[in-house]
Amino acid sequence: NAGVTQTPKFRVLKTGQSMTLLCAQDMNHEYMYWYRQDPGMGLRLIHYSVGEGTTAKGEVPDGYNVSRLKKQNFLLGLESAAPSQTSVYFCASRRGGVEDTQYFGPGTRLTVL
Amino acid sequence: KNQVEQSPQSLIILEGKNCTLQCNYTVSPFSNLRWYKQDTGRGPVSLTIMTFSENTKSNGRYTATLDADTKQSSLHITASQLSDSASYICVVSASTGGGNKLTFGTGTQLKVEL
Repeated sequence: NAGVTQTPKFRVLKTGQSMTLLCAQDMNHEYMYWYRQDPGMGLRLIHYSVGEGTTAKGEVPDGYNVSRLKKQNFLLGLESAAPSQTSVYFCASRRGGVEDTQYFGPGTRLTVL
Repeated sequence: KNQVEQSPQSLIILEGKNCTLQCNYTVSPFSNLRWYKQDTGRGPVSLTIMTFSENTKSNGRYTATLDADTKQSSLHITASQLSDSASYICVVSASTGGGNKLTFGTGTQLKVEL
């Protein structure tokens, strides 16, 4: 049981390049989330999904797109990377319910030059 | 606007000593409050969760308290160990029509030294 995994762990992009971050969970969780973590700020929600085939915008969705074609995977795409998207990205999942815990992946450190 | 403020920003203590981290929030309607531990280069891991009716909860050497009236929580670490060095994040959940909305604090960076 690997929990939540993220690919890749590190990536350096040039401005304007595109990339996709992959999140996978093997806990059969319904809900999945993408956050970014920047110095001096709390984790901020980018997009989330409440089930296979569904996605919704979070607090800071601009410049990102997501897809949840399979229940176990949640993809975060950057179509045209900008330096402001330099950050550490965390994926999380949870089963469901009010007191339910979110389980986080190890993070992806992205640098946009 | 929902906010979660943590103090201190950073803290250095000697191994074996106790410490207390603070969390003040202005989140409504309140659903629950969690403390997470985030080791360097890793994702956050849940330590405790407290709902409105709970005012204390322990997880080993970690004890969290909640005062829903004053909207304050604390995390007390007893007999600190080097492995306690991490960022501790307070997360408050608000009940909304579309589900729970989380507000994350910026964390307290704790360093335990010999």
